[in-house]
Amino acid sequence: DGGITQSPKYLFRKEGQNVTLSCEQNLNHDAMYWYRQDPGQGLRLIYYSQIVNDFQKGDIAEGYSVSREKKESFPLTVTSAQKNPTAFYLCASSDAQYNEQFFGPGTRLTVL
Amino acid sequence: DQQVKQNSPSLSVQEGRISILNCDYTNSMFDYFLWYKKYPAEGPTFLISISSIKDKNEDGRFTVFLNKSAKHLSLHIVPSQPGDSAVYFCAARVMNYGGSQGNLIFGKGTKLSVKP
Repeated sequence: DGGITQSPKYLFRKEGQNVTLSCEQNLNHDAMYWYRQDPGQGLRLIYYSQIVNDFQKGDIAEGYSVSREKKESFPLTVTSAQKNPTAFYLCASSDAQYNEQFFGPGTRLTVL
Repeated sequence: DQQVKQNSPSLSVQEGRISILNCDYTNSMFDYFLWYKKYPAEGPTFLISISSIKDKNEDGRFTVFLNKSAKHLSLHIVPSQPGDSAVYFCAARVMNYGGSQGNLIFGKGTKLSVKP
């Protein structure tokens, strides 16, 4: 089955700890994205990558970091510098030929 | 400033009737528009899209209308079904120079409730 997987589904961390969220896709898509969703808000872009070994900041990149060493993987690290990290995080990917982004199931991060 | 606006946070419709979800945008450089459907604790799923060169696109029960002069698009669902109850996000894209894909800008979503 082709798709995007995110793990874990739920994640709890203590304040001050860095945490890495996983995103893997087997759709052979070049582009990958990380979004954050807060209650009553739309999806806000954190980081995106159009190609392996390249990534760009989105609208709310502060306190986050990413890497894109493989086409299939785009992990997101939520650092202790992120002031309000508790949120629902969504990963997406898209093919350069098409316009639609396909989303993973999301990771709910709760910082205690 | 919000470039994509969904001014109705919620909408309630009776089963079998038409649901109309609205979306306004401010950036005239948007060239492609999409609607996504999202259930709680799940990722959004693509529903339907429309290019700026068209004014209507239809897929089964779902039709999207684009009014470029008013910078307005709408999603019509007819007939509405209880399974359509979800949050619907409108998204828009700016074509990058050279024709490569651009990033999506999302609205805040409208929660649709279809009552049996």
